[in-house]
Amino acid sequence: ETGVTQSPTHLIKTRGQQVTLRCSSQSGHNTVSWYQQALGQGPQFIFQYYREEENGRGNFPPRFSGLQFPNYSSELNVNALELDDSALYLCASSGQRGGATINEQFFGPGTRLTVL
Amino acid sequence: GIQVEQSPPDLILQEGANSTLRCNFSDSVNNLQWFHQNPWGQLINLFYIPSGTKQNGRLSATTVATERYSLLYISSSQTTDSGVYFCAVRDDKIIFGKGTRLHILP
Repeated sequence: ETGVTQSPTHLIKTRGQQVTLRCSSQSGHNTVSWYQQALGQGPQFIFQYYREEENGRGNFPPRFSGLQFPNYSSELNVNALELDDSALYLCASSGQRGGATINEQFFGPGTRLTVL
Repeated sequence: GIQVEQSPPDLILQEGANSTLRCNFSDSVNNLQWFHQNPWGQLINLFYIPSGTKQNGRLSATTVATERYSLLYISSSQTTDSGVYFCAVRDDKIIFGKGTRLHILP
C-alpha cells in the first residue's frame, strides 16, 4: 500500500465524451503527477501539479487538463475522448522543495479507461 | 530529452535463477527509481537510487551516474517476481523506460 488512492478503478466511455479521474495523494506529499500507460508500454508523463499549479507537462494535447486542490488531491480531465485514450491512468505523489521534485514517487493503483 | 533504454526487453528464467536488468540513460539525471508492475497494474517501488548501491532482501540495485546506467539484480528468483520491471529517471519530467518483462517458471 502506497497511501495513494485513485477512483474509479475502471471506466467505460464512448468516443467524444468527457471523463474525470481522481487521485488522493499520500499524506505529507504536496505534488501529484499523472501518467498514461498504454498496453505494453511504459507510463508516459502527462503533467504535474504543485501547490495547485501545473508545473510540468508532457506531450499531451490541451484536452488533457487537471486540477489540484488545497488538500493536494487532484483530478485529471479528458475532453472529447478518442479511442487511443484507452489506457491505464496512474497518479503518483511525491514531496517538493524549492519547486523541484526531489523525493521518490509513489503510485496509486490506477484507473483503467476504455473508450468505445 | 533524455532517452531511457532497458534491457533485455523480455527474460524467461527458471525459479531459483539469478538475473540482471539494465537501465541506460542518455544524460545526467536527478533521480532514478526502479519499479515492479504487478499483473493488476500497480507500480511497486523497489529502489530510489540516484547513485550508489542498495539492497533489500533478494533484490539489489546499483546506479553509476557518471556512466549513465543502473542495474537491478534479482537473486534466487521466485514465481512472484514475474511481471514488468521499469526504471524511471527525472530530467525536467519523469521518463520511464519501456520495461523488462520477467517470467519466472516454476
